[in-house]
This record gives sequence, structure tokens and C-alpha cells, in this order.
Amino acid sequence: DAGVTQSPTHLIKTRGQQVTLRCSPKSGHDTVSWYQQALGQGPQFIFQYYEEEERQRGNFPDRFSGHQFPNYSSELNVNALLLGDSALYLCASSLGVIGERGYEQYFGPGTRLTVT
Amino acid sequence: GQNIDQPTEMTATEGAIVQINCTYQTSGFNGLFWYQQHAGEAPTFLSYNVLDGLEEKGRFSSFLSRSKGYSYLLLKELQMKDSASYLCAVRGEDSNYQLIWGAGTKLIIKP
Repeated sequence: DAGVTQSPTHLIKTRGQQVTLRCSPKSGHDTVSWYQQALGQGPQFIFQYYEEEERQRGNFPDRFSGHQFPNYSSELNVNALLLGDSALYLCASSLGVIGERGYEQYFGPGTRLTVT
Repeated sequence: GQNIDQPTEMTATEGAIVQINCTYQTSGFNGLFWYQQHAGEAPTFLSYNVLDGLEEKGRFSSFLSRSKGYSYLLLKELQMKDSASYLCAVRGEDSNYQLIWGAGTKLIIKP
């Protein structure tokens, strides 16, 4: 049973560039949430995708956008990268919007993004 | 505002017991989660409390008091592999199903 996978593992970009991160949910899951985690901090919710639509969004600017595909996999795009975007980007999958099955959110290994 | 507080770092001895506290102030409450995160790895789910009281799962237990806005994670028979960060997260009402995360408590286990 495949867990949540993310690619790439590490990425180095320059200020102003654009980046795309990818996530495949755990088998059987249909909802993907993206988080940003700065060093020494807890994860910050970016947005959540369900049925190929953005269902919820945290306090992140429009430079952060995403997409979910029919096979439930998802992409996170960040435009006009800033130094402050350097962080671990985590993808988490669940079955349905987290609520009725509140604890079943599985995280991927993350993508470490460094902006120079 | 919404706020979750945890100690930044704790140290304990192998074989001992440690209690990691978490206090929260959120707009409503719909459950509290504890996650373990080893350095450079993804968080892994430990426990979920939505009603007051103690939930026990092997060496780990989690307690919740909604009236006090307080939870703790209790780790027994500590092992070296328990060295990790422990994250407390709360699901409030206004945030729908978004989780509000604490900064985590780094637990260091010494032999």
C-alpha cells in the first residue's frame, strides 16, 4: 500500500523564479492538503484540494497556487519566489475533507525548497 | 487571535516518563491532535482527542481538558528513538477543518 509521495526531495531556486512541487496521495485517499513548515516551526496550512477544486485556503498570497488532477494527485506552484519561501513543503492526504474522519491525515516526506 | 503554546525543548532520561504540555486559544474547538516529527521527516499521527479525558495507546497517552484549553502528551518507558519534535494541533470552528499548529516541542532523550 503506497503512502504519500512527494517530488522532488530537495530543490534550490533563485529569487523571482517559479517552482512546481508534486504530491501523490496515499492509495484510497481523495483529498490533498499542502503545508509550509519553516525550520523550528509547526506546519502552516496553505490550501486543500478535493474533487479537483480548492476547498480551503490559509493566509498565503496568490503567488501560491495549486491543482488537483483526476487521479487525486496534486501540484503546488509558487511564483516570484522570495527568500522567505525557503521551507519544507509538506503534502498530506486524507479521505474526504478532514472532519468526520478527523485524524486520518497522512503526510508525505516533504520537499525541502531553498531560495537563494 | 488563535494561539497554541508548547515548551520549545525538553530533556528526559531513557526509561523515564515525560509529559509535554499544550495550551490553546482558538475560535471554537473540534479536536486536538498530537504528531511526532523526527528531524527531516514528515509528521506522523500519534493521537486525537475531542472529548475530555485520557486516551491511552501503548506507551503514549494524551489528555484533554476543553474547559482549560489544555492537553498533554505522556510518554512512558522512554526510548532513544523517541527523540523527536512533538507537535500539538487544534481544529477550531472558524477554520473549518484547518489544523492550527503549535511550533512543536523538541524532546531530547539521554541515556
